[in-house]
Amino acid sequence: DTAVSQTPKYLVTQMGNDKSIKCEQNLGHDTMYWYKQDSKKFLKIMFSYNNKELIINETVPNRFSPKSPDKAHLNLHINSLELGDSAVYFCASSRGTIDEQYFGPGTRLTVT
Amino acid sequence: GESVGLHLPTLSVQEGDNSIINCAYSNSASDYFIWYKQESGKGPQFIIDIRSNMDKRQGQRVTVLLNKTVKHLSLQIAATQPGDSAVYFCAENIRDSSYKLIFGSGTRLLVRP
Repeated sequence: DTAVSQTPKYLVTQMGNDKSIKCEQNLGHDTMYWYKQDSKKFLKIMFSYNNKELIINETVPNRFSPKSPDKAHLNLHINSLELGDSAVYFCASSRGTIDEQYFGPGTRLTVT
Repeated sequence: GESVGLHLPTLSVQEGDNSIINCAYSNSASDYFIWYKQESGKGPQFIIDIRSNMDKRQGQRVTVLLNKTVKHLSLQIAATQPGDSAVYFCAENIRDSSYKLIFGSGTRLLVRP
């Protein structure tokens, strides 16, 4: 059974388009996250939600907007995509705010 | 500032040998540390964690050591296997931050047959 799932796994799109990445966890966790991993493998937190409330909002362009319809889902919407947005985006979840995080398989976004 | 770094970007070991991956952190307010393993094309996978009130924690074939005096964290893998080949990340949680994990830059472990 998949604990943290993301769709799509690959996303290729052109500059200027708007796209969404979906994330679902079936672990019953209260906290969910979005990370960006660049080409050098560096992982950086973007957003975190706890019980559907935004608790972490790092310095990311406001073209990125997370949406949490319920505790099990955290989607990431990106407007006006730019070349520099190309990366692998990981969703994660944890039971609480200071617990091990379980990561999804990642979504490789390529902007052309 | 907040930073977590690794001494060796790539570590090559012989199958069956022990591996030691090191990590330095700079924030003395960090109170929780995690090691993750990331295989090619996959998401990071939890290996082991340790809280700041401990110096050592053991799992299956893995041991994490925490030296708060010099702000150093290490992951020891016993009897390294080909399946251990991956990128390993340490991450720290800073007590006064908004509950975010700060990840290090990663060390690639290559296991020679």
